[in-house]
Amino acid sequence: GAVVSQHPSWVICKSGTSVKIECRSLDFQATTMFWYRQFPKQSLMLMATSNEGSKATYEQGVEKDKFLINHASLTLSTLTVTSAHPEDSSFYICSASRPGAQETQYFGPGTRLLVL
Amino acid sequence: AQSVTQLDSQVPVFEEAPVELRCNYSSSVSVYLFWYVQYPNQGLQLLLKYLSGSTLVKGINGFEAEFNKSQTSFHLRKPSVHISDTAEYFCAVTGGYQKVTFGTGTKLQVIP
Repeated sequence: GAVVSQHPSWVICKSGTSVKIECRSLDFQATTMFWYRQFPKQSLMLMATSNEGSKATYEQGVEKDKFLINHASLTLSTLTVTSAHPEDSSFYICSASRPGAQETQYFGPGTRLLVL
Repeated sequence: AQSVTQLDSQVPVFEEAPVELRCNYSSSVSVYLFWYVQYPNQGLQLLLKYLSGSTLVKGINGFEAEFNKSQTSFHLRKPSVHISDTAEYFCAVTGGYQKVTFGTGTKLQVIP
């Protein structure tokens, strides 16, 4: 159990366009989901915490208007990179935690974004 | 505040040899500790976790880790590594408020 999926796994887009990444918990309901960004050869950087039915909590330095997060249901959170630029190219990973075991996060396979 | 230090950025080891990946943490509250593995171009997979109870934790793929409160460490060990263990390993800590702090990662390179 505790499987998290992400779609798409790869995306290439032109500068100025918007890209939506989906994160789904497949076999459990996730009241909280997390979005991370990982630069090459670096660790994960938490971008925001997403709670179902409420606004996401963004980490310091993360632009809310650029990285739109929607957690519309207990199994789906989306991250939209608006007006993407080449510096937004990165590996984006989501995670989810189960109710009652919120100390443990289960990670999706990640989405690699390349902005040309 | 909490932090995690992984002392080794890369660890080369011969196949079937033992390995230890080091992790030290600091936190002002009681902690939960985790080890995750990341294969190239993939997300993180939970190897094992310490929440409470026995300080020796066994995980998947033959890995184990020992929580040492006095030394604030949570080192990961495997008695005999395989080529398939080549990956990057992340130590992580949370104080229970869900925000997880990750270490910088250790790349394990298993040499045939």
